[in-house]
Amino acid sequence: NAGVTQTPKFRILKIGQSMTLQCAQDMNHNYMYWYRQDPGMGLKLIYYSVGAGITDKGEVPNGYNVSRSTTEDFPLRLELAAPSQTSVYFCASSYPSGGATGEQYFGPGTRLTVT
Amino acid sequence: AQKITQTQPGMFVQEKEAVTLDCTYDTSDPSYGLFWYKQPSSGEMIFLIYQGSYDQQNATEGRYSLNFQKARKSANLVISASQLGDSAMYFCAMREGGSEKLVFGKGTKLTVNP
Repeated sequence: NAGVTQTPKFRILKIGQSMTLQCAQDMNHNYMYWYRQDPGMGLKLIYYSVGAGITDKGEVPNGYNVSRSTTEDFPLRLELAAPSQTSVYFCASSYPSGGATGEQYFGPGTRLTVT
Repeated sequence: AQKITQTQPGMFVQEKEAVTLDCTYDTSDPSYGLFWYKQPSSGEMIFLIYQGSYDQQNATEGRYSLNFQKARKSANLVISASQLGDSAMYFCAMREGGSEKLVFGKGTKLTVNP
């Protein structure tokens, strides 16, 4: 199993450009998440999905959009990039906890710089 | 209000010694879960240990144990016999009942000295 994969690993955007961060998992997890990690900070939830066709906002959704057309894929779209979106983006997936641990498995991250 | 507080920005420990990383949390939900993740300099997030709010015993995973004090709302990570490879950022996180979302603390940077 590849686990959670993310592309690209690095990206530099100019202000106002748009891009899509790709995330895929091969563990048949129902739940998928997008986080951002700013320097010296913990992770903050952007969006999450409980299954194909179902998404919801997290703590910091402004400036982002998501879709979930399949169980495996959960792309994150940045529209009109701003310097405040310079961050490291992590995708994660998990089974529902339902009494179990339900730990999240993380991808390797995408380092995005907006200049 | 901050739900997860990690008050130690940085900690140092000698190789082979034990170290405790602090985490306090705030929730009114009786059902919750607490997690610790490790983030090495390479950047990936590695799950270490989990403690459920109804678990009777403190969680242990190899050299990692969780000192869970429910009344004090603390969930400290104890690493025994520290190794150089333990040098990393460590994050405490909480999941409240009925939600799969994690809330993370700001992390503690652990440095293990030879």
